[in-house]
Amino acid sequence: AQSVAQPEDQVNVAEGNPLTVKCTYSVSGNPYLFWYVQYPNRGLQFLLKYITGDNLVKGSYGFEAEFNKSQTSFHLKKPSALVSDSALYFCAVPSNNDYKLSFGAGTTVTVRA
Amino acid sequence: EAGVTQFPSHSVIEKGQTVTLRCDPISGHDNLYWYRRVMGKEIKFLLHFVKESKQDESGMPNNRFLAERTGGTYSTLKVQPAELEDSGVYFCASSQEGHLTDTQYFGPGTRLTVL
Repeated sequence: AQSVAQPEDQVNVAEGNPLTVKCTYSVSGNPYLFWYVQYPNRGLQFLLKYITGDNLVKGSYGFEAEFNKSQTSFHLKKPSALVSDSALYFCAVPSNNDYKLSFGAGTTVTVRA
Repeated sequence: EAGVTQFPSHSVIEKGQTVTLRCDPISGHDNLYWYRRVMGKEIKFLLHFVKESKQDESGMPNNRFLAERTGGTYSTLKVQPAELEDSGVYFCASSQEGHLTDTQYFGPGTRLTVL
């Protein structure tokens, strides 16, 4: 079964510092990987996805993610974090035979001023 | 373009009562999904519609849950009777294509509290 894991429950960074949210995957076949963000009292918002091609994927709000096949990882990154980036981040992967997404447990990001 | 909308945003009901959640997908999206996040755990898939047909309902927890999508537009998810463990956030999502690489766009969710 396709699955993703987010090894960190929480990530705390200072504003202006680089932000990394980790995600590892276990898939058979081609990996298709997604990142979503949930801001406080809001729904899930799509950030970016990896389908094929360039290992560095650029997304919304200045985020990017690096696909690493050898390490089976798809870490989300932002070079300079903002306080407004404080939110809950989810990595997700669709199952092979249908389109339902399997989500990681989520990582709470807190950016302090 | 309007996004996915859900109603109500919050619902507080007593155990044993009935609640109906509504989801309006993005216009033109044939695929509609229901997910839920219970007690801060992982977001779990409930079911998937293609137009008005249930494509996959393997995630529905039991027969107290009934989803419909009459006419292939909006969808409703009814919980009857509600139990304490049904409390959580129910998300709806829609996508245009039916493909593994297709982006699912989520609504704001309905927070259900069963007392």
